[in-house]
Amino acid sequence: GAGVSQTPSNKVTEKGKYVELRCDPISGHTALYWYRQSLGQGPEFLIYFQGTGAADDSGLPNDRFFAVRPEGSVSTLKIQRTERGDSAVYLCASALGPYGNEQYFGPGTRLTVT
Amino acid sequence: SQQGEEDPQALSIQEGENATMNCSYKTSINNLQWYRQNSGRGLVHLILIRSNEREKHSGRLRVTLDTSKKSSSLLITASRAADTASYFCATLGGSARQLTFGSGTQLTVLP
Repeated sequence: GAGVSQTPSNKVTEKGKYVELRCDPISGHTALYWYRQSLGQGPEFLIYFQGTGAADDSGLPNDRFFAVRPEGSVSTLKIQRTERGDSAVYLCASALGPYGNEQYFGPGTRLTVT
Repeated sequence: SQQGEEDPQALSIQEGENATMNCSYKTSINNLQWYRQNSGRGLVHLILIRSNEREKHSGRLRVTLDTSKKSSSLLITASRAADTASYFCATLGGSARQLTFGSGTQLTVLP
């Protein structure tokens, strides 16, 4: 079946602009995660959804970052007033449930803020 | 923040040789997972080892876990050029549901 998909694959935006990154998880996966990966580093957790609700948003760096999952499937990560330091690869992952299962990652969105 | 460190940061070997990567972590865990990443994009799950397990095998992969030392190792036997990638360990611990990743090992297998 289809894996996790993310759009766009690349996004270049100017400092101060607003961006939305989309994630389509594997059908039936109730858990959805967003991670951010800077060059040469491992992914860092941003936010986790179980169903429609954000069960843990402790990784969001500040209030410019927000994510939604209104119908418990597709999720959108929203970044307001982008800064050059937001440049990174944003990875989405989904899992069957929250109990330590294997996570399936999408290909990521490479965000570049100029 | 990163859970811990991986060692070495980079490893270059000849095809057919074995590759060993180590991972150390800081807090108690429920399980530890290894992932592979090609070209800085999506990660692929390789193997999961639970905190009450000491060793696990999957094909050419062998993972060990020492919870007393808070460390794990990944062994890839008979490496191939296609194994060239970055390898990350990731831990799941306590009540957390998200993975905490190490900084990764860049493996290069020379043909």
